[in-house]
Amino acid sequence: QKEVEQNSGPLSVPEGAIASLNCTYSDRVSQSFFWYRQYSGKSPELIMSIYSNGDKEDGRFTAQLNKASQYVSLLIRDSQPSDSATYLCAVGGLGAGSYQLTFGKGTKLSVIP
Amino acid sequence: DAGVIQSPRHEVTEMGQEVTLRCKPISGHNSLFWYRQTMMRGLELLIYFNNNVPIDDSGMPEDRFSAKMPNASFSTLKIQPSEPRDSAVYFCASSGTVRNTIYFGEGSWLTVV
Repeated sequence: QKEVEQNSGPLSVPEGAIASLNCTYSDRVSQSFFWYRQYSGKSPELIMSIYSNGDKEDGRFTAQLNKASQYVSLLIRDSQPSDSATYLCAVGGLGAGSYQLTFGKGTKLSVIP
Repeated sequence: DAGVIQSPRHEVTEMGQEVTLRCKPISGHNSLFWYRQTMMRGLELLIYFNNNVPIDDSGMPEDRFSAKMPNASFSTLKIQPSEPRDSAVYFCASSGTVRNTIYFGEGSWLTVV
């Protein structure tokens, strides 16, 4: 049974601070990793994908992957109240037949003005 | 470009009634997914279609659930008979050729009373 674990939170950070969201996964052969943002009452929205060890930056977001430790994280710099949402970590394989993403239950982030 | 389109957005029905949820994937995407989201279990994959063919329905909870994809632009998820424990948000999602990137529809909020 593939598992993706996230701290459910809520994680509260002041506006302008760095928010750090963490995720661990159980399947060592996982090859693709995603962070989705889900506002209350809305659908998940892809914000970052990462496939190789190391960091990947996109604007205020940085995804970090460590396959040896089976750990993926998302850093949000200069957090804004509009970043308040639930962040879902998703883990999958790569290539044909590796369609299935396993989602964590999400971490609820609250950015305090 | 239009995203994944789902209907109905909200459905309230009585126990024992048939429920049909509909989905139009993003044009050109060859993979379609039905997910269910609850507070307790998070996002769960129910069934996956590739090129209109069901590939994996191991997530379908029981025989009361069925899904079809008669063509590349339409899919249905049917629950018959519905039960209160089926109350959840049902998301349809589709994926093209970008590595496992899945795009979600707005969801169908189902309440069975």
